[in-house]
Amino acid sequence: SQELEQSPQSLIVQEGKNLTINCTSSKTLYGLYWYKQKYGEGLIFLMMLQKGGEEKSHEKITAKLDEKKQQSSLHITASQPSHAGIYLCGASSAGGGSNYKLTFGKGTLLTVNP
Amino acid sequence: GAVVSQHPSWVICKSGTSVKIECRSLDFQATTMFWYRQFPKQSLMLMATSNEGSKATYEQGVEKDKFLINHASLTLSTLTVTSAHPEDSSFYICSALTSGRLDTQYFGPGTRLTVL
Repeated sequence: SQELEQSPQSLIVQEGKNLTINCTSSKTLYGLYWYKQKYGEGLIFLMMLQKGGEEKSHEKITAKLDEKKQQSSLHITASQPSHAGIYLCGASSAGGGSNYKLTFGKGTLLTVNP
Repeated sequence: GAVVSQHPSWVICKSGTSVKIECRSLDFQATTMFWYRQFPKQSLMLMATSNEGSKATYEQGVEKDKFLINHASLTLSTLTVTSAHPEDSSFYICSALTSGRLDTQYFGPGTRLTVL
């Protein structure tokens, strides 16, 4: 089965600082997803990457997928308290219909101090 | 768009009782829904995949007689925890796939179940 390892497990940064969260897969990724979760709440979809070398940005968040499609990074520029939460990477290893089930990493808890 | 709701948001029940959790796609039709559980400070673990009009597919180690899943319509899936016990206490989250975009799961806000 596919395993995803996220690092760091937790991160505390000062408001305005940049940060990076990594996600490494034991197998080649079909699709790599980034979600954000507030404790005790559902997941908010951030981005999905599929192609090797792909990079996507939304506001101050940029996600990249390496060429080998086994590692992804999530970079936040000029962090704000609103960025605080748990960031989860999820991976699908096959395509098509109900095979879009995801395996998740354990998450990275981000705290942004004002 | 792509809003998923869950009801209830939290529930407390006595050991031995059954609890039903609903997952609804509010503004789209969901051909496939997924049920996850999450323990404190841990990741989401997929329990089962639910396809409208057919039996759910359970992940290894998940008791299908204990966690009954019904996907009766394209907008509603239910998870019933039968004869709940304290070890079933957890955070249950559903997600849904829309046929228009099969590559992205949209998640509900979750249901906190506490079994006394």
